[in-house]
Amino acid sequence: DIQMTQSPSSLSASVGDRVTITCRASQTIHNYLNWYQQKPGKAPKLLIYGVSRLQRGVPSRFSGSGSGTDFTLTISRLQPEDFATYHCQQTYRIPSFGQGTRLQIK
Amino acid sequence: QVQLQESGPGLVKPSQTLSLTCTVSGDSISSSSDYWAWIRQPAGKGLEWIGQVYSSGNANYNPSLETRVAISVDTAKNQFTLQLNSVTAADTAVYYCARDKYDYVGGSPYNWVDPWGPGTLVTVSS
Repeated sequence: DIQMTQSPSSLSASVGDRVTITCRASQTIHNYLNWYQQKPGKAPKLLIYGVSRLQRGVPSRFSGSGSGTDFTLTISRLQPEDFATYHCQQTYRIPSFGQGTRLQIK
Repeated sequence: QVQLQESGPGLVKPSQTLSLTCTVSGDSISSSSDYWAWIRQPAGKGLEWIGQVYSSGNANYNPSLETRVAISVDTAKNQFTLQLNSVTAADTAVYYCARDKYDYVGGSPYNWVDPWGPGTLVTVSS
């Protein structure tokens, strides 16, 4: 099975900051990489699929990049509603998720 | 707009079978080209994909749970069901049902989970 490792596990930032979260796969997953946002007590919400394709309705301050085994989620100009936990998911083989990155207000 | 809702017991005794149902509205399972999935999340931990089912009844499972899990579909009721047997405290989690969508975008195949149900907490305890 493919292991997904996110870093950092948590980070603190301020409104207006630019933030980058990394996701690394234990083997190549080509471009089968998705990102989700999860707020406390809620189900995850799809942000990005296929590495860099924004789901409809997701603000353009979210972007994704990467290939092979290394991927990043970038949030430019953090907004108050962006403080949440972010999960990456690979769908190249049996789907698996990273352990999550908790983004907190500094 | 597709919506999903989990239902089932919130408390299951150790060694017994956990059974949850997901009711889909806004889309017909029988005419959908997507799979329908179960995903779980223990408190404070990451997400674990349990498995998926197609309208034909064809199912795929996470190898880590394959010997204990079964996912079935009832197209007449527009529902799909998760059964997990021989549960232990390690199976305590929030269980989500979701659409496991497959699509071609720009000529390339993609797969993602959207939308999700709100989730239901299942506690395994005597």
